Amino acid sequence: SQKIEQNSEALNIQEGKTATLTCNYTNYSPAYLQWYRQDPGRGPVFLLLIRENEKEKRKERLKVTFDTTLKQSLFHITASQPADSATYLCALVRGSGSGNTGKLIFGQGTTLQVKP
Amino acid sequence: ETGVTQSPTHLIKTRGQQVTLRCSSQSGHNTVSWYQQALGQGPQFIFQYYREEENGRGNFPPRFSGLQFPNYSSELNVNALELDDSALYLCASSSGTGSYEQYFGPGTRLTVT
Repeated sequence: SQKIEQNSEALNIQEGKTATLTCNYTNYSPAYLQWYRQDPGRGPVFLLLIRENEKEKRKERLKVTFDTTLKQSLFHITASQPADSATYLCALVRGSGSGNTGKLIFGQGTTLQVKP
Repeated sequence: ETGVTQSPTHLIKTRGQQVTLRCSSQSGHNTVSWYQQALGQGPQFIFQYYREEENGRGNFPPRFSGLQFPNYSSELNVNALELDDSALYLCASSSGTGSYEQYFGPGTRLTVT
């Protein structure tokens, strides 16, 4: 069956360090992979999207990599700040022609805690 | 530009009852998706509506149903509530089924007792 896995344990890092979150998937060939941020009691907020033919995407202090051979995406936050503390969700999207276009399949999320 | 809004914010219902949750999509968006998020889990896709038609459904029973209106707002209805239906219900809008970036509302927290 299709499976998306993120680090279930919370990630605790010191302010200023780089946080690296992992998303692994099996039995799936996504056309896109997305990362969202979710704060307690709030809806997810879109951060970055990377396509299957892209290896890396950057946005300010954020960087996402996508390795379709390893079936893995890494999400990096450089120079982390306490305000980056949140749960980060990865989500896969199937390509067109395979039905349910736009349906997001989420991992369970990884909670990041950045300590000052 | 108005973001995605949902109502109510919180709701408490009794097992066996029925509930209707509402969502107003972001201005200019014609696609609405609904997700269920249990505590500590990622959101799970319930269904999507595009131009008032259902455009895909996740692994949820028929007692979960929906509607989309001409102004692209949407409703999620759940009949015969069960305890396991307790969750955060999220609505997300996008500018089309081919646009994968989705904008989420704050969610409705449903508690079934």
